[in-house]
Amino acid sequence: QSVLTQPPSTSGAPGQRVTISCSGSSSNIGSNTVNWYQQLPGTAPKLLIYNNNQRPSGVPDRFSGSKSGTSASLAISGLQSEDETDYYCATWDDSLNGPVFGGGTKLTVL
Amino acid sequence: QVQLQESGPGLVKPSETLSLICTVSGGSISSYYWSWIRQPPGKGLEWIGYIYYSGSANYNPSLKSRVTLSLDTSKNQFSLKLSSVTAADTAVYYCTRQEVAIFYWGQGTLVTVSS
Repeated sequence: QSVLTQPPSTSGAPGQRVTISCSGSSSNIGSNTVNWYQQLPGTAPKLLIYNNNQRPSGVPDRFSGSKSGTSASLAISGLQSEDETDYYCATWDDSLNGPVFGGGTKLTVL
Repeated sequence: QVQLQESGPGLVKPSETLSLICTVSGGSISSYYWSWIRQPPGKGLEWIGYIYYSGSANYNPSLKSRVTLSLDTSKNQFSLKLSSVTAADTAVYYCTRQEVAIFYWGQGTLVTVSS
């Protein structure tokens, strides 16, 4: 049971826009910034979005993040076949005094 | 460019202690927080604990009684020990540099708990 709640799966057609939600509580998302990771099969997660909406160098601007209250979202526009993989949200939890993660969302490009 | 590399046995017997080392290159371990995160096969990510370069550490309460983190600044390494392992501890173990986000991850190492 993950601390943050994500939908297990989502899908979209090439070129479309999809969003992935992440729900938490006042002790985590409500009081800290949210990060998103992309994990390709057999590899370590890669940072996609940090501080709610910042992209590390090299991440396409098709990826964007937002946060409101105790929830956050990752949006992927202009969906491409290579976007088909797993996505995780994460943030700091003040009660745990450590990072917490969502259960992950598997994105399928139809 | 900072790089992290996990090393250690890939197979551990039940009730024994899992031991992993993370070697950091391209940067000094003498700053930042250094974390271990694991991922059971087909499942999500779980934070195990982090250690500051000063040696102070914090652990996930669910594992706290079995986990010890340490670091060796002379070797630019930090390590994980997880005692009394069971099959539920089978996972890919990642070492990371913990900041506002995790920019740097090791490639991960699969540790299987089995007799």
